[in-house]
Amino acid sequence: RKEVEQDPGPFNVPEGATVAFNCTYSNSASQSFFWYRQDCRKEPKLLMSVYSSGNEDGRFTAQLNRASQYISLLIRDSKLSDSATYLCVVRGANFGNEKLTFGTGTRLTIIP
Amino acid sequence: SQTIHQWPATLVQPVGSPLSLECTVEGTSNPNLYWYRQAAGRGLQLLFYSVGIGQISSEVPQNLSASRPQDRQFILSSKKLLLSDSGFYLCAWSGEYNQPQHFGDGTRLSIL
Repeated sequence: RKEVEQDPGPFNVPEGATVAFNCTYSNSASQSFFWYRQDCRKEPKLLMSVYSSGNEDGRFTAQLNRASQYISLLIRDSKLSDSATYLCVVRGANFGNEKLTFGTGTRLTIIP
Repeated sequence: SQTIHQWPATLVQPVGSPLSLECTVEGTSNPNLYWYRQAAGRGLQLLFYSVGIGQISSEVPQNLSASRPQDRQFILSSKKLLLSDSGFYLCAWSGEYNQPQHFGDGTRLSIL
């Protein structure tokens, strides 16, 4: 089983729709969780950290389910500019605090 | 605020030539530093990370090496490049425990 697994997509979603991504992780002792977005041929950029209680940032909502070991990202009222690859990222306790494990990403295209 | 600089942005090198990519961070001290490679259409692969000057951990066997001669400087090198070294190389930094990583703009390396 991969350490971090994501549906690669692609997700093709009409503008204004709501889209949700899930990500599962294998290490139950993982400590911190993040969502990054990566535009084509660009570096990954932090979208948001994921907290145990769930957190929201504008149109974006992230949730963590430790019991089931999955993380979700919800995008409401999607915009054309949301088109990107979304990376699920986990820091695992047994790796040492220094390293993050990146999923391979879910590709999202917003259709006008 | 903290910034990370990585250069060059693109590089075309012949097989067998040496390589030196440099990354510097400003606005913080004693950062954790990372080198990643991303092959076309693939996920991020951690190559090296460093928690302090002169401290380098290697993640995968390869013909690349890394050095950290100063607190905020991280260098990726090779004595002889292979065709398989082509890819998008990303430097990243992070602060204390549980903090996310922040990436430089990346270097797109093509080996001919």
